[in-house]
Amino acid sequence: GNSVTQMEGPVTLSEEAFLTINCTYTATGYPSLFWYVQYPGEGLQLLLKATKADDKGSNKGFEATYRKETTSFHLEKGSVQVSDSAVYFCALRSLRESGYSTLTFGKGTMLLVSP
Amino acid sequence: EAGVAQSPRYKIIEKRQSVAFWCNPISGHATLYWYQQILGQGPKLLIQFQNNGVVDDSQLPKDRFSAERLKGVDSTLKIQPAKLEDSAVYLCASSFRLAEPRLRSYNEQFFGPGTRLTVL
Repeated sequence: GNSVTQMEGPVTLSEEAFLTINCTYTATGYPSLFWYVQYPGEGLQLLLKATKADDKGSNKGFEATYRKETTSFHLEKGSVQVSDSAVYFCALRSLRESGYSTLTFGKGTMLLVSP
Repeated sequence: EAGVAQSPRYKIIEKRQSVAFWCNPISGHATLYWYQQILGQGPKLLIQFQNNGVVDDSQLPKDRFSAERLKGVDSTLKIQPAKLEDSAVYLCASSFRLAEPRLRSYNEQFFGPGTRLTVL
């Protein structure tokens, strides 16, 4: 079946450090890939997405490139801020047996940024 | 634009009791989802509605969980009776229309803040 694997956290960084959160997936066909962010006490928010191989999603300084050859969608940011502290979820959209699509999430990676 | 509303935000019950959660999606969103997020894991889809009809409930434990969306707007998720392993955050999400994978487009899911359930 479909699955998403993320690096375990927490990831602790100092402000302005470079961020990488690894994400790999297993899926049949050609899924779309997403990164969601969950700030403390809030719901999940879509951060960025990519719908086909070699697409790069970007938003708020974050980037991720859909790599079909390595089945990866790693999240990167050149300079993190304290306000980036949150839990980040990698997800894929796939077609279920019912014929409807759904999201499969990874376990999440907590990012803690200190001043 | 108002987001997805959920209530209550927190609930503590004892095992074998019943509990209900409420969700009000974004106005005009035909598709509504309920997810279960156990601590340390990603959200897992429980049930998906298109208007007032169920399109996917394959991962809903139907012996104790039920959900309805009678008028195609608000939805309630019920657990009866609750077990210790039901302790989790229950997330509601909505999207404008059912995603069509063959079009390779995506109708973004907007998530509510969740209801944190603790079963003692």
